[in-house]
Amino acid sequence: GEDVEQSLFLSVREGDSSVINCTYTDSSSTYLYWYKQEPGAGLQLLTYIFSNMDMKQDQRLTVLLNKKDKHLSLRIADTQTGDSAIYFCAESMGTDKLIFGTGTRLQVFP
Amino acid sequence: NAGVTQTPKFQVLKTGQSMTLQCAQDMNHNSMYWYRQDPGMGLRLIYYSASEGTTDKGEVPNGYNVSRLNKREFSLRLESAAPSQTSVYFCASILADRKTQPQHFGDGTRLSIL
Repeated sequence: GEDVEQSLFLSVREGDSSVINCTYTDSSSTYLYWYKQEPGAGLQLLTYIFSNMDMKQDQRLTVLLNKKDKHLSLRIADTQTGDSAIYFCAESMGTDKLIFGTGTRLQVFP
Repeated sequence: NAGVTQTPKFQVLKTGQSMTLQCAQDMNHNSMYWYRQDPGMGLRLIYYSASEGTTDKGEVPNGYNVSRLNKREFSLRLESAAPSQTSVYFCASILADRKTQPQHFGDGTRLSIL
């Protein structure tokens, strides 16, 4: 079945690292994505990882994929107040349809 | 540089009223999508259109209809609005021939059904 789960909230201090976790159930997923949604706006793609990769780094963002445990994480280094948003993971099974997680609201405090 | 444009941005309806949400993209994308976003439930796919002239049901199609009017436009219609359809609706599009291309999202339509 298709089910993507995330914790609903995360609160971190400015300058610390944030780690947002995601679990999925469909082992046939080919691409996994992280999207960011700022208040009152649509979703913007942050980064993605192909299922045959373990890790991908893009500036302050690090994506880790544990395919055996079906676990995906997004690490944001040196978290800033501008990183406060809702973060969604999403999976694709090789089609252009995406299955989204429930979203994690990240709050960054000074 | 419009991307995906949704209209209206806000709407309040009474139960039983009908309404069409409009979506247009100027990126020559093939596939278009309608999602609804509810607290704690993420985005759920209502309908999608892989190409002009085709539409398919997503996860939560009941109570909705769609029309892919041309390559640019994909509309979502509520024939008889119900309070359970109070939500934020997002339209998205993608070129569809490369999976690493992101879905481009509009800014959403906030719909309240009283």
